[in-house]
Amino acid sequence: GESVGLHLPTLSVQEGDNSIINCAYSNSASDYFIWYKQESGKGPQFIIDIRSNMDKRQGQRVTVLLNKTVKHLSLQIAATQPGDSAVYFCAENNLGGTDKLIFGTGTRLQVFP
Amino acid sequence: DTGVSQDPRHKITKRGQNVTFRCDPISEHNRLYWYRQTLGQGPEFLTYFQNEAQLEKSRLLSDRFSAERPKGSFSTLEIQRTEQGDSAMYLCASSPRTGGSILDTEAFFGQGTRLTVV
Repeated sequence: GESVGLHLPTLSVQEGDNSIINCAYSNSASDYFIWYKQESGKGPQFIIDIRSNMDKRQGQRVTVLLNKTVKHLSLQIAATQPGDSAVYFCAENNLGGTDKLIFGTGTRLQVFP
Repeated sequence: DTGVSQDPRHKITKRGQNVTFRCDPISEHNRLYWYRQTLGQGPEFLTYFQNEAQLEKSRLLSDRFSAERPKGSFSTLEIQRTEQGDSAMYLCASSPRTGGSILDTEAFFGQGTRLTVV
């Protein structure tokens, strides 16, 4: 099937370890951020979002951290599983402005046993 | 299946031919977006609709590209006189966002249509 992101930065982790995927965003006016997971041959799948009035948000096994000072976003995945293997994208949006998501460069997460 | 549906999933066409893709958004989602994704890159915004109104178009959307959402439900994206550089995954997404709300901004993506121009 299709392979997304053949030349993307790659993070390799052992099953059960925690993963941290980083993203730098570009627009200081962005106030809404989303992490998407994309498996080969599929569309992006929503993981977790965060608004700029927060610096941390937790979901099931995932945590997103936002540092507006340095325009940095991270996704932490606890107890990484083989099913987490995919390409991960961060996306930014300005809720008060144009309604489009700007995607960052993806990171390929590889989970090995 | 109540997700975003795209058809076809794959399309191979000869250079110079016209192609049309269809997107069926999640029911009652008033916003519909088209993105394009090339290998190794994140999705790039093309255009979006609020109901039947096309509110924004990217510079990536050349004159050969046209998108419609005639009844505010499904949408079509047509590419005329296809070029090899049009080869990409075309993604559709929908959102219940009504404008300005901070509570309903999540966009759900379809599986995409993979276009190959030979």
